[in-house]
Amino acid sequence: DQQVKQNSPSLSVQEGRISILNCDYTNSMFDYFLWYKKYPAEGPTFLISISSIKDKNEDGRFTVFLNKSAKHLSLHIVPSQPGDSAVYFCAAYSGGSNYKLTFGKGTLLTVNP
Amino acid sequence: NAGVTQTPKFQVLKTGQSMTLQCAQDMNHNSMYWYRQDPGMGLRLIYYSASEGTTDKGEVPNGYNVSRLNKREFSLRLESAAPSQTSVYFCASSDGQGADTEAFFGQGTRLTVV
Repeated sequence: DQQVKQNSPSLSVQEGRISILNCDYTNSMFDYFLWYKKYPAEGPTFLISISSIKDKNEDGRFTVFLNKSAKHLSLHIVPSQPGDSAVYFCAAYSGGSNYKLTFGKGTLLTVNP
Repeated sequence: NAGVTQTPKFQVLKTGQSMTLQCAQDMNHNSMYWYRQDPGMGLRLIYYSASEGTTDKGEVPNGYNVSRLNKREFSLRLESAAPSQTSVYFCASSDGQGADTEAFFGQGTRLTVV
């Protein structure tokens, strides 16, 4: 049972345009959501997070939106840059599960110059 | 500040051999995790330790054992390696005490079982 789903394996955008990466979840007990970025041959690095009590969190070019009723979150990158090309993972956890961090399968973002 | 350190970075095993992947963190984090990454499968949780002295199974624990040696170290052992365990293994740690902490990852161990 996949609790965190990223249904788009890949996404390609032009430099300067907006990238929108999507994530759905099934576990209503999740109370915190995170996005990670991963380059080849490196470990994932934290990008941005959002608490379930909020609907938006912004950090520079990165904004995460949370729609709890739809159990959906999205990561917006504006403007997209070639250096943003990486695999992006959505993750979630709840305090009630001892902070077990569950990841989606990832979306490969390619930003074309 | 080293963060999360994994050893070794690369390993080739023959089927049936055993090995232990080591992980250490210097951030005084309570929680530690072992994940494996396979093509098209994302990051799947093998085992995690919410705090020193406790360990729990994740999504894919079969064929693995773990030891939370102390607060800093969390090792993953393959008792009898199988080709299906060929993967990239990541260790991570987090403070795990609040709703605003993120996990930090090591650089990964690329394991090939032949």
